[in-house]
Amino acid sequence: SQKIEQNSEALNIQEGKTATLTCNYTNYSPAYLQWYRQDPGRGPVFLLLIRENEKEKRKERLKVTFDTTLKQSLFHITASQPADSATYLCALNSNSGYALNFGKGTSLLVTP
Amino acid sequence: GAVVSQHPSRVICKSGTSVKIECRSLDFQATTMFWYRQFPKQSLMLMATSNEGSKATYEQGVEKDKFLINHASLTLSTLTVTSAHPEDSSFYICSARSRGIYSNQPQHFGDGTRLSIL
Repeated sequence: SQKIEQNSEALNIQEGKTATLTCNYTNYSPAYLQWYRQDPGRGPVFLLLIRENEKEKRKERLKVTFDTTLKQSLFHITASQPADSATYLCALNSNSGYALNFGKGTSLLVTP
Repeated sequence: GAVVSQHPSRVICKSGTSVKIECRSLDFQATTMFWYRQFPKQSLMLMATSNEGSKATYEQGVEKDKFLINHASLTLSTLTVTSAHPEDSSFYICSARSRGIYSNQPQHFGDGTRLSIL
């Protein structure tokens, strides 16, 4: 069956450090992968999309890598800030169309 | 741009009540809208895909007679939870996808509706 796995353990890091979150998937052949941020009681907010032929994508302090051989994406936040504290979701398109399948998300807490 | 408004944000009602949730794309036309449900500390689970002017496509295990979806215009989709019971209590989130032929367009999400059935 298809699975999208993210670190279930919350990630606690100190302000200024780089946070690295992992997304592994099985039984998908995605053309691209997306990352979203979700704050408590809110809907997800789109952050980045990376295509299968892109190894790395950057946006300001965010960096995403995509390894289709390992079936893994890494999401990095450099120079992390307390405002980066949230749950980060990895998403892949379902085989049936445009709908997204999400991982459970990894909770990030950045402390001053 | 690409704002999705979801209303109401929170509903508390008695068992047996039907509840309607609205999802509107405010500044773009959404040919496709999606309805998700999220339980605490769980991932978003797709319930159904709603295309403007046609019947919704439901995911396996989602009762279409229980969760009525109407996508009457390019900017509005509604989800009605009929005869809601405590087990229907959850966080319901809609998302919208703008017109376009590319499947890799990101989705824009509403802020969710917290439904609590007593």
